[in-house]
Amino acid sequence: EDQVTQSPEALRLQEGESSSLNCSYTVSGLRGLFWYRQDPGKGPEFLFTLYSAGEEKEKERLKATLTKKESFLHITAPKPEDSATYLCAVRPYGGSQGNLIFGKGTKLSVKP
Amino acid sequence: EAQVTQNPRYLITVTGKKLTVTCSQNMNHEYMSWYRQDPGLGLRQIYYSMNVEVTDKGDVPEGYKVSRKEKRNFPLILESPSPNQTSLYFCASSLGLEETQYFGPGTRLLVL
Repeated sequence: EDQVTQSPEALRLQEGESSSLNCSYTVSGLRGLFWYRQDPGKGPEFLFTLYSAGEEKEKERLKATLTKKESFLHITAPKPEDSATYLCAVRPYGGSQGNLIFGKGTKLSVKP
Repeated sequence: EAQVTQNPRYLITVTGKKLTVTCSQNMNHEYMSWYRQDPGLGLRQIYYSMNVEVTDKGDVPEGYKVSRKEKRNFPLILESPSPNQTSLYFCASSLGLEETQYFGPGTRLLVL
């Protein structure tokens, strides 16, 4: 069964304290892996798409990487405005076309 | 402004009273999808549509209907809502099957 597991469930950081969020996935074949940011009461906001192992993408303080079994979202010198829930999703081969399978998210809190 | 809109944003109803949640996108996207988000369960896909008049079930389609008569609109219909359909609902769209999905602001539904 296709599955996405994110860890930790919650992460508290001090401003400037770098860390990483993990997304482990089990799929028959990976068409794409997506990272989203979600603020309370709002829709997920797209961050990155990764398609193949070894791929990396960066945006401001965020960097996403991908291996054959997991993805990491690295946050460098976070600021309080980076506080949000970060969602990982995979689109597998087979199954319902277009279906995104989401992890349960990592809730990040950055204290000043 | 490119966006996905949903209406209503908040809805309280009673068991058995039919309701429709509208979703519209102005990006000429072919692919549209509905998700529900529940605490501890994450985002789960309800239905999706590859194009006009083409729809298919996601992971949790029971109790829901959809239609896609126009490219820009993808309404979600609850013919006989039940309390277990109380949830936060998101509509999403993308240019194609492989492309990034962009999410609407969400509709919070309470079924009494």
